[in-house]
Amino acid sequence: GENVEQHPSTLSVQEGDSAVIKCTYSDSASNYFPWYKQELGKRPQLIIDIRSNVGEKKDQRIAVTLNKTAKHFSLHITETQPEDSAVYFCAASLEYGNKLVFGAGTILRVKS
Amino acid sequence: GAGVSQSPSNKVTEKGKDVELRCDPISGHTALYWYRQRLGQGLEFLIYFQGNSAPDKSGLPSDRFSAERTGESVSTLTIQRTQQEDSAVYLCASSLFDDQPQHFGDGTRLSIL
Repeated sequence: GENVEQHPSTLSVQEGDSAVIKCTYSDSASNYFPWYKQELGKRPQLIIDIRSNVGEKKDQRIAVTLNKTAKHFSLHITETQPEDSAVYFCAASLEYGNKLVFGAGTILRVKS
Repeated sequence: GAGVSQSPSNKVTEKGKDVELRCDPISGHTALYWYRQRLGQGLEFLIYFQGNSAPDKSGLPSDRFSAERTGESVSTLTIQRTQQEDSAVYLCASSLFDDQPQHFGDGTRLSIL
C-alpha cells in the first residue's frame, strides 16, 4: 500500500522567511496530494491541494509543487507570519473520494 | 449548512468498556471517513463509506472496531472492550465524491483509564 514520508519533523524560521516541507510517496498510482494545517487542539484544515496532471499550484503565500517522476511533492510558504505556526500534514490518495495516507507531520514555528 | 460535526468532543472511559462515537457529515456529502490520530502523530485511516457501496474497512486495527452509516447521513464508530492503546483523537471527514476534497470535524478525544 501507499506510504508517505514527510521531512523535516520540525522547522523553525524567522518571520518573513520562507518555509519548505517535503514529502515522498511510494505508490505511483496516487494522483491527489492535499496539505492540511492543524493548530493545537483543532481540526485539520485543508490549505492547498494538487492533482497529478498539474506540476505546481499557488494560492497567495502558499504553493505546492509535484514531481511525479521522482514521487515527491513540496509545500512552500513565503513571507511567513507567526500565525503560520502549526503542524502541517501532507497526504496522498488515488482520488478525491478515496482514503488519504498521511505523513507524520511537520511542526512549523515562526519566530517573530 | 455547517461543517462536519462530531460528538462527544471528549470521552473518558474505563478499560474494557464499549464506546460509541458519532459523526454528522456535511449535508449532501456522499463519502465519509474515519481516521485516528494518536498524540503527536499523523492521521491513520480507519474506514471509508461511499454512498451505498460496501465500506472500505481496510484500516480498522482489530475486530473490536466497527462502524456503521445510514445512507448518506450520520455514522457511528464503535470500539468494544476498549484498551489503553485506543486512547487517541478520532476524526471524521466527509467529501462530495470525486468532486471535492475531505473536510474534517473537530474530533472526539478518547481517553481510556
